[in-house]
Amino acid sequence: AQSVTQLGSHVSVSEGALVLLRCNYSSSVPPYLFWYVQYPNQGLQLLLKYTTGATLVKGINGFEAEFKKSETSFHLTKPSAHMSDAAEYFCAVSGNNFNKFYFGSGTKLNVKP
Amino acid sequence: NAGVTQTPKFQVLKTGQSMTLQCAQDMNHEYMSWYRQDPGMGLRLIHYSVGAGITDQGEVPNGYNVSRSTTEDFPLRLLSAAPSQTSVYFCASSSGTKNTEAFFGQGTRLTVV
Repeated sequence: AQSVTQLGSHVSVSEGALVLLRCNYSSSVPPYLFWYVQYPNQGLQLLLKYTTGATLVKGINGFEAEFKKSETSFHLTKPSAHMSDAAEYFCAVSGNNFNKFYFGSGTKLNVKP
Repeated sequence: NAGVTQTPKFQVLKTGQSMTLQCAQDMNHEYMSWYRQDPGMGLRLIHYSVGAGITDQGEVPNGYNVSRSTTEDFPLRLLSAAPSQTSVYFCASSSGTKNTEAFFGQGTRLTVV
């Protein structure tokens, strides 16, 4: 079975500061990991994904995430926050059943001027 | 370039009424699913389908029905609406291969009074 835990339902950073959103997963099989972003009143948009290969994954809008198997983590980072990054971010995992995605509870990112 | 299309975007129902949320995708994806999004709970899987004629239950199926008569369409039916079904509903599709993500519609915001 798969599950996802996102630490921190709300994260606030200043513009230009480092963004770090935490995601830990549980999976009985090699996981496939995803980060999605949701802007207000919109659907979910893929930021990046890890399937196999390089453990440091780069996505859109300057975000990246590193798969650490030993820590069962897939934290999302961005070196310098921009006001437009304010949104809700969801971590998700899928496993053997590739059509089933399990989502974390989400982290709302607030960016202060 | 439509992707996943959901209708309606907003709906208000009275307790006990029934309705159908529509979902269509034009990517020829075999896998389609319905999620509900509630504050602090992330996205929870209601029902999913692995192809035309095949559906199965997710985490929170009670009070909902689905069918999949074509590859493109995957409607979600609320049989007798309850206030606990007030939520934002998302339809998603995926190709089902290992390295692909789920693609989401824009959501339907449903209020049951």
